[in-house]
Amino acid sequence: EVHLVESGGGLVQPGRSLRLSCVASGFTFDDYAMYWVRQAPGKGLEWVSSITWNSGNLAYADSVKGRFTISRDNAKKSLYLQMNSLRTEDTALYYCVKEDSSGWRLFDCWGQGTLVTVSS
Amino acid sequence: DIQMTQSPPSLSASVGDRITITCRATQSISRYLNWYQQKPGKAPNLLIYAASSLQSGVPSRFSGSGSGTDFTLTISDLQPEDFATYYCQQSYSSPRTFGQGTKVEIK
Repeated sequence: EVHLVESGGGLVQPGRSLRLSCVASGFTFDDYAMYWVRQAPGKGLEWVSSITWNSGNLAYADSVKGRFTISRDNAKKSLYLQMNSLRTEDTALYYCVKEDSSGWRLFDCWGQGTLVTVSS
Repeated sequence: DIQMTQSPPSLSASVGDRITITCRATQSISRYLNWYQQKPGKAPNLLIYAASSLQSGVPSRFSGSGSGTDFTLTISDLQPEDFATYYCQQSYSSPRTFGQGTKVEIK
């Protein structure tokens, strides 16, 4: 069964850093692009960042560009999000998401999310 | 970036009703349109991809249509477990933008 488990969330002060992790199981991790999608409390879904299977192409939402860094370790079947200079508006549930390989680029598996709260 | 606009933002309906949610893109996205269902406290779940293809395991009362810029999600014979928030998402280009969501509530 395909499974994604995020960790690393927590309460952090504005300006500080946090590193999120996502461990994958049940599929060949290094065959797929991976994403981070976040959801602020009571709000909709926002794409944050993406990484291709070989880390050759990284992309970021304008709202996090220059502050967040996505990376992956295929040997460890893990996805990461290094978040620096955190702002209160970064408070959200962060989902690790797998993109399928059908060509339609749909999100076919989501983790349960890890909550990041930025507050003084 | 391609913007996705859903309507209505919310709707009230009864069990057994047929409802339609629309999603409009700011430019043509061919059929690269996906629909997700999200229940409170849960991660989103893929319902429909490529505008009209039903994801495995999704009941046939869910259907999607459209191409280009205008799309619809229809739920026929609404069931109690269908009360949730629905999001459209374009996968034509990066960033993979979402609509703002449509909350389906019990009347």
